Amino acid sequence: QVQLQESGPGLVKPSETLSLTCAVSGYSISSGYYWGWIRQPPGKGLEWIGSIYHSGSTYYNPSLKSRVTISVDTSKNQFSLRLSSVTAADTAVYYCARHSASCYFGYWGQGTLVTVSS
Amino acid sequence: QSALTQPPSVSGSPGQSVTISCTGTSSDVGSYNRVSWYQQPPGTAPKLMIYEVTNRPSGVPDRFSGSKSGNTASLTISGLQAEDEADYYCSLYTSSSTFDVVFGGGTKLTVL
Repeated sequence: QVQLQESGPGLVKPSETLSLTCAVSGYSISSGYYWGWIRQPPGKGLEWIGSIYHSGSTYYNPSLKSRVTISVDTSKNQFSLRLSSVTAADTAVYYCARHSASCYFGYWGQGTLVTVSS
Repeated sequence: QSALTQPPSVSGSPGQSVTISCTGTSSDVGSYNRVSWYQQPPGTAPKLMIYEVTNRPSGVPDRFSGSKSGNTASLTISGLQAEDEADYYCSLYTSSSTFDVVFGGGTKLTVL
């Protein structure tokens, strides 16, 4: 069974960089699929942040592209998100997920709340 | 980015059927069959219910079905059950000029 688990600081200061990692078990990232990040501000809807293919190709939401970096570490079977220059508007539950080439997200992590506050 | 429009809320009684719409344009929903639907009960991660407009993953009850007409995709839940009460989101992948994934604003389903 494929499982994903997000980890990282729950509190980040404004203007700093948010960093999260998604550990994958039950499937080898290097075997295929795309691996993505989605976020959900409290009480609001879902927003795709970006994705990485197992080969390392990356795809970002145009509205966040200037601040986002997604990377993969196949040796640790995990992938990571970095979001720079955060503000209170970046406060959200951040999910990692696996998706197909037609971008349906079949497996999700449980999510982790990141609060941006001084 | 495209915008997908969903009704903020729908409701129905147990045993009834409800349909949730997801409206885009001829350039997105009307042009691509990469529409998926997610169910999100409060405090939980989203769960895939429908992919590529009409396909149901294994384990999803056949009470859930998807369709598309023109620029609008729809999720229909028949034989409504109390456990179906949740937020539902549609999603679309477009690759016309750039890789992009858009979610609808979400619909709150209340089982009366």
